[in-house]
Amino acid sequence: DSGVTQTPKHLITATGQRVTLRCSPRSGDLSVYWYQQSLDQGLQFLIQYYNGEERAKGNILERFSAQQFPDLHSELNLSSLELGDSALYFCASSGSYRGQETQYFGPGTRLLVL
Amino acid sequence: AQSVTQLGSHVSVSEGALVLLRCNYSSSVPPYLFWYVQYPNQGLQLLLKYTSAATLVKGINGFEAEFKKSETSFHLTKPSAHMSDAAEYFCAVSGETSYDKVIFGPGTSLSVIP
Repeated sequence: DSGVTQTPKHLITATGQRVTLRCSPRSGDLSVYWYQQSLDQGLQFLIQYYNGEERAKGNILERFSAQQFPDLHSELNLSSLELGDSALYFCASSGSYRGQETQYFGPGTRLLVL
Repeated sequence: AQSVTQLGSHVSVSEGALVLLRCNYSSSVPPYLFWYVQYPNQGLQLLLKYTSAATLVKGINGFEAEFKKSETSFHLTKPSAHMSDAAEYFCAVSGETSYDKVIFGPGTSLSVIP
């Protein structure tokens, strides 16, 4: 168990809909990262938050948005969903442990858009 | 710009044999390099990372990788394969800070033959 939790585990929805994926980082970790894994695009970094502030942006579509709340959990919002958005969405958190910054991943949310 | 190539989308080794997974990178700045593992139906796990300290990096589960700037390579090795090593392995490169805007390779699927 990595200590990073993601809900829901599975999500089935229709094109045009909007969904919210939730991530809770490891206790004490300030950074949260979102990644997408699909058959077409492979693994892609989407966005990173640090202590509530956006720190880095990757290949995140304008239809997607994220935020990190004061309790450090994060939500990834996907809107106007398309078939191609079907993918596994991972969240990760990082923090310093014994002088090393280490990253831990959640189990992912599998999104299927029909 | 940064990119990662992984030679061989699928590698098979016998149990007890040497594991060698190849990774070459392209980066216009000094890179941070990573290896991640994804076990079947599970999330990602960070195996090891290179951050410009020692060129030989030791990771978890007996894996290690060597950074060779002249060859722009970061190959992953393990002296003796175990059945539990069967998984998908991803090499990744990042530019500015650790885990920031990570670019993943396409992955190599490792099979271990008893």
